[in-house]
Amino acid sequence: RKEVEQDPGPFNVPEGATVAFNCTYSNSASQSFFWYRQDCRKEPKLLMSVYSSGNEDGRFTAQLNRASQYISLLIRDSKLSDSATYLCVVKSNYQLIWGAGTKLIIKP
Amino acid sequence: DVKVTQSSRYLVKRTGEKVFLECVQDMDHENMFWYRQDPGLGLRLIYFSYDVKMKEKGDIPEGYSVSREKKERFSLILESASTNQTSMYLCASSFSFGQVGNSPLHFGNGTRLTVT
Repeated sequence: RKEVEQDPGPFNVPEGATVAFNCTYSNSASQSFFWYRQDCRKEPKLLMSVYSSGNEDGRFTAQLNRASQYISLLIRDSKLSDSATYLCVVKSNYQLIWGAGTKLIIKP
Repeated sequence: DVKVTQSSRYLVKRTGEKVFLECVQDMDHENMFWYRQDPGLGLRLIYFSYDVKMKEKGDIPEGYSVSREKKERFSLILESASTNQTSMYLCASSFSFGQVGNSPLHFGNGTRLTVT
């Protein structure tokens, strides 16, 4: 079992829809959680950290479920510019473990 | 704005060649990292450095070495390139990394290396 797993997608979603995807992690002692965004042929960039109580940044909401060991990312009112690969990152034992990413395609 | 610069965007080398990938950051970050990214796999850490002349092995150090002679520069060296080292190589830096550090990683725009 991979330490951090994501559905690779692609998720094909119409513009304006709400989309959510999860990321599961295997180490229950994981300390911190992040979502990065990677556009095609570009480098990853931090989208948001994920806090225990859940957090929101505009149209993006991140949640952490420690009991079931997953984090989620919800995107509301999706835009064409949201098309990207979303990488889940988990900090375990002071190391960052990266998921392979979920590809999101927003269609007009 | 943090800038991490990788010396080459695309590189084609022959099997057995020695390859140098250079990375420079301009934000006085202590930590620097080299990753490779392959389809279907997450970013995999090759080496990282938390200070000048310091280096730590990541998950897949075999076939690679690194050098950090100056704080702003972190070099990745493929001593004898092989075809299975064909990949996208990403350099990153961060202000802090550790028990309390949640500083984001700032990435360079990558070097796509092809070994033939």
